[in-house]
Amino acid sequence: GQQLNQSPQSMFIQEGEDVSMNCTSSSIFNTWLWYKQEPGEGPVLLIALYKAGELTSNGRLTAQFGITRKDSFLNISASIPSDVGIYFCAGQLDSNYQLIWGAGTKLIIKP
Amino acid sequence: DSGVTQTPKHLITATGQRVTLRCSPRSGDLSVYWYQQSLDQGLQFLIQYYNGEERAKGNILERFSAQQFPDLHSELNLSSLELGDSALYFCASSVAGSYEQYFGPGTRLTVT
Repeated sequence: GQQLNQSPQSMFIQEGEDVSMNCTSSSIFNTWLWYKQEPGEGPVLLIALYKAGELTSNGRLTAQFGITRKDSFLNISASIPSDVGIYFCAGQLDSNYQLIWGAGTKLIIKP
Repeated sequence: DSGVTQTPKHLITATGQRVTLRCSPRSGDLSVYWYQQSLDQGLQFLIQYYNGEERAKGNILERFSAQQFPDLHSELNLSSLELGDSALYFCASSVAGSYEQYFGPGTRLTVT
């Protein structure tokens, strides 16, 4: 089936650092969604993107819909301890109305 | 709080048993989705219902079934449970025409 490659799989960062993660595919997407999941809880929608090239922010988070429509990026600036969790991307294929999910990026803050 | 509710929060049962998980979508949402998340794994899409009708099927086992009722709440039935069915089960909902899914808090199923 269709796949999204989400990277990195995990990140160890210092508080205050900027963070970047991305999702890529060989397929074209119409919509990109970014979610955050904290342990034992349901994923929470952070940002939704609908147009190629679109750049959208939500506080310290910024996400971009890649120009080729095959990728998306999420950046977190000046990370803080409450940023820890798993970040998932999800994309809606041009050819199918279903969402395809990335495997997640686990963000861990170094003590 | 996403507005999606799921019950029960925790469920412990034995192999071979059958359980029912319940989900109430956000007010006004017609679509309901079910996902399975095993320990430290990603989200596996199981099934989607839209306004009472099955809309899409993912990697749902034959031992699992779901339905959406006229009041739009949904139930996921898991039967002949195996140890490997232990997981978090999430329900999500969305408004008609939107891909933005809003997740409930999940049901943690433990099969012993």
